[in-house]
Amino acid sequence: AAGVIQSPRHLIKEKRETATLKCYPIPRHDTVYWYQQGPGQDPQFLISFYEKMQSDKGSIPDRFSAQQFSDYHSELNMSSLELGDSALYFCASSSRTNSYEQYFGPGTRLTVT
Amino acid sequence: EDQVTQSPEALRLQEGESSSLNCSYTVSGLRGLFWYRQDPGKGPEFLFTLYSAGEEKEKERLKATLTKKESFLHITAPKPEDSATYLCAVRVNDYKLSFGAGTTVTVRA
Repeated sequence: AAGVIQSPRHLIKEKRETATLKCYPIPRHDTVYWYQQGPGQDPQFLISFYEKMQSDKGSIPDRFSAQQFSDYHSELNMSSLELGDSALYFCASSSRTNSYEQYFGPGTRLTVT
Repeated sequence: EDQVTQSPEALRLQEGESSSLNCSYTVSGLRGLFWYRQDPGKGPEFLFTLYSAGEEKEKERLKATLTKKESFLHITAPKPEDSATYLCAVRVNDYKLSFGAGTTVTVRA
């Protein structure tokens, strides 16, 4: 079965640079979520989109922005990167017709040097 | 404030030694409790969703149960390949999942 696709899988950036992470949800899923997971920590909710509109917002820094496009893929844009932004970034998707079960992608490991 | 607490933090088991993981929650309006398995450096893998007290679900050697205040994940006769971090999460609105810190299970052959 098709899964959530994330790219790139690994990204190395320097402080103050910009990064863009991409997420392609499972086909026919209408909702996309972004989570950040630091070393040894549980995933923290950042933001979600339903039918291309922002649906909920968590602890996402103002330096970060995200959007969902007409083909339902989503991009997380991160600017003025800081060392503390180094983490695994997961995208998940779900369908309202399937009890909101969120299926996670493999993640993007961002390292800020 | 919504809170999810998992215990123990770590669990070391001998192969075949059954045990249980606990997830206690305090939420204003539970709209689903989820169990995930996560291997190091990988995305959480969906296991179960539970919605109401008394509900039980099973998958291979795993069984999840739910009460009004907590959920248990029972591992029966575990194998080394069951070694992973097991995450519990609650959904309190249509979108956001709040995760517990997880229980890291190590099964020795």
